[in-house]
Amino acid sequence: NAGVMQNPRHLVRRRGQEARLRCSPMKGHSHVYWYRQLPEEGLKFMVYLQKENIIDESGMPKERFSAEFPKEGPSILRIQQVVRGDSAAYFCASSRESGNEQYFGPGTRLTVT
Amino acid sequence: TQLLEQSPQFLSIQEGENLTVYCNSSSVFSSLQWYRQEPGEGPVLLVTVVTGGEVKKLKRLTFQFGDARKDSSLHITAAQPGDTGLYLCAGERAGANSKLTFGKGITLSVRP
Repeated sequence: NAGVMQNPRHLVRRRGQEARLRCSPMKGHSHVYWYRQLPEEGLKFMVYLQKENIIDESGMPKERFSAEFPKEGPSILRIQQVVRGDSAAYFCASSRESGNEQYFGPGTRLTVT
Repeated sequence: TQLLEQSPQFLSIQEGENLTVYCNSSSVFSSLQWYRQEPGEGPVLLVTVVTGGEVKKLKRLTFQFGDARKDSSLHITAAQPGDTGLYLCAGERAGANSKLTFGKGITLSVRP
């Protein structure tokens, strides 16, 4: 009955480094969503993936950000050359099917120094 | 402009009081979810409403979806300190590819 797992829970990176955030969906879920929560802001959609496919990346910044959900293993959100403005909480959610309820993980808090 | 407006932003009440908070939009949603989020944690799903006018109850929490599916309310009866948290509404618009649009949330504090 494990829920959505995310690691690491906290990540500190210096400007210019890379950040890799991992998300394992709930058992039986094959749809993964990434959201970002900035201080004083609501959660903002970034990207929606199924296994080996990006379905919707309309919320993803065009530069430096990428996401994947391979056939085996967790979904990865990758941020290259991080800047201070990337500091935020990044949440992953999963659902069984498209349009089904989304269940969230505990988030990764990224701090860029 | 925020697609989903939640009000009030902050609410501090005494244990035992009743309260109603709102989630409003000018857009129609195919479904709407309410989540509660504790500091340092992810949002936890409370309820999903999909039919206009639908009312769902979860113990002391009553959720209603507006007839036109543009707004929703959450009513808490006899609030308890354990109800303290950030309440988020999130809607899925038709054709939006399952992505959720969130409001900024309502911070509720229930004093013992």
